[in-house]
Amino acid sequence: KQEVTQIPAALSVPEGENLVLNCSFTDSAIYNLQWFRQDPGKGLTSLLLIQSSQREQTSGRLNASLDKSSGRSTLYIAASQPGDSATYLCAVRHRGAAGNKLTFGGGTRVLVKP
Amino acid sequence: DAGVTQSPTHLIKTRGQQVTLRCSPKSGHDTVSWYQQALGQGPQFIFQYYEEEERQRGNFPDRFSGHQFPNYSSELNVNALLLGDSALYLCASSWEQGEQYFGPGTRLTVT
Repeated sequence: KQEVTQIPAALSVPEGENLVLNCSFTDSAIYNLQWFRQDPGKGLTSLLLIQSSQREQTSGRLNASLDKSSGRSTLYIAASQPGDSATYLCAVRHRGAAGNKLTFGGGTRVLVKP
Repeated sequence: DAGVTQSPTHLIKTRGQQVTLRCSPKSGHDTVSWYQQALGQGPQFIFQYYEEEERQRGNFPDRFSGHQFPNYSSELNVNALLLGDSALYLCASSWEQGEQYFGPGTRLTVT
């Protein structure tokens, strides 16, 4: 059974500092891994999707890496801004008969202080 | 192009009651998945509907049931509500087994 863990559960940084968010998963047989942003009480906004054959994906200030062999992914957010304050969730899609359902981590709640 | 829509936005129910949540998929999508997100936790997969049939199911009791209509929209029904059913219910749509796109969610409070 796939388990996804995100540590730390919460993070507070001053504006301008780089953010490093971690995600680990127990089963390396994944199809892809996705990072989402969630504002309080709202739905999920997809940030980056990394296919299992890829090592990293970049979008603006965001960069996500994937190491399947160690079961880890890291989301880097450069030069954080107060608007980056949100909960960040990672989710894996398992390869095979599991279809396209996603298994989520518990999320990391980020606060960027002005 | 409208994204995934869900209704209602918020709902308050009493223990033991039944509730129906609704989801309209993104244009061109034929598959709908439902997730439950308790406060402070990540979403958990409830089930998925494709061609009007339940294709996959997570670890949820039979009190949770669903339906998909010919226009691909979907309903989630929960019977005999418990306090622990209070959560944000997220709907996601995809074209077959492709990337899922999430709706804004329905906040259910059971008192």
